[in-house]
Amino acid sequence: KAGVTQTPRYLIKTRGQQVTLSCSPISGHRSVSWYQQTPGQGLQFLFEYFSETQRNKGNFPGRFSGRQFSNSRSEMNVSTLELGDSALYLCASSLGRGSSPLHFGNGTRLTVT
Amino acid sequence: AQTVTQSQPEMSVQEAETVTLSCTYDTSESDYYLFWYKQPPSRQMILVIRQEAYKQQNATENRFSVNFQKAAKSFSLKISDSQLGDAAMYFCAHSYNTDKLIFGTGTRLQVFP
Repeated sequence: KAGVTQTPRYLIKTRGQQVTLSCSPISGHRSVSWYQQTPGQGLQFLFEYFSETQRNKGNFPGRFSGRQFSNSRSEMNVSTLELGDSALYLCASSLGRGSSPLHFGNGTRLTVT
Repeated sequence: AQTVTQSQPEMSVQEAETVTLSCTYDTSESDYYLFWYKQPPSRQMILVIRQEAYKQQNATENRFSVNFQKAAKSFSLKISDSQLGDAAMYFCAHSYNTDKLIFGTGTRLQVFP
């Protein structure tokens, strides 16, 4: 079974631009969640999608948004990029039952210059 | 608010020895889940072990075991017969029936031959 796939692996953007990150979950998984990892703030929850509906949202500004498609693939978008958005963005998928473990992808390293 | 605290930024152990990583958490829920994740330099978060709060028995996975003290809100990870491949960042995490994980700040484990 293929694991969680995140694309691209690396991204360099300029302040003010926008970016879209993609996540393909494990086959059969209906829940996708996103996390931001930085040296200063650690791992922080961004949002969780289940069957195309946002089920949970973290404490991030509205510039951060996401969506999930009918095939469970998910995208997250960050608009008007700031230097502080530089981070490793991790996507995880699960069966979505709350008790089921999360399986993480390798992440997308975003650098904002 | 749910919080997870890892008070050991770094730990080291000699190959074949045993090491224990500490984690405390705070929650007002009575039914929840606790996890230990490992993040090697490859960046991918790997689930090491998980514990359901309603189960009194401590979880074990081969060389990995936990000491779950619900009243004390403590969830430590014991790694027996440490191997070089165990070197990584270890994150303790907590969730309540969703895929929203609250992570600790992590403990970097070094394994010496």
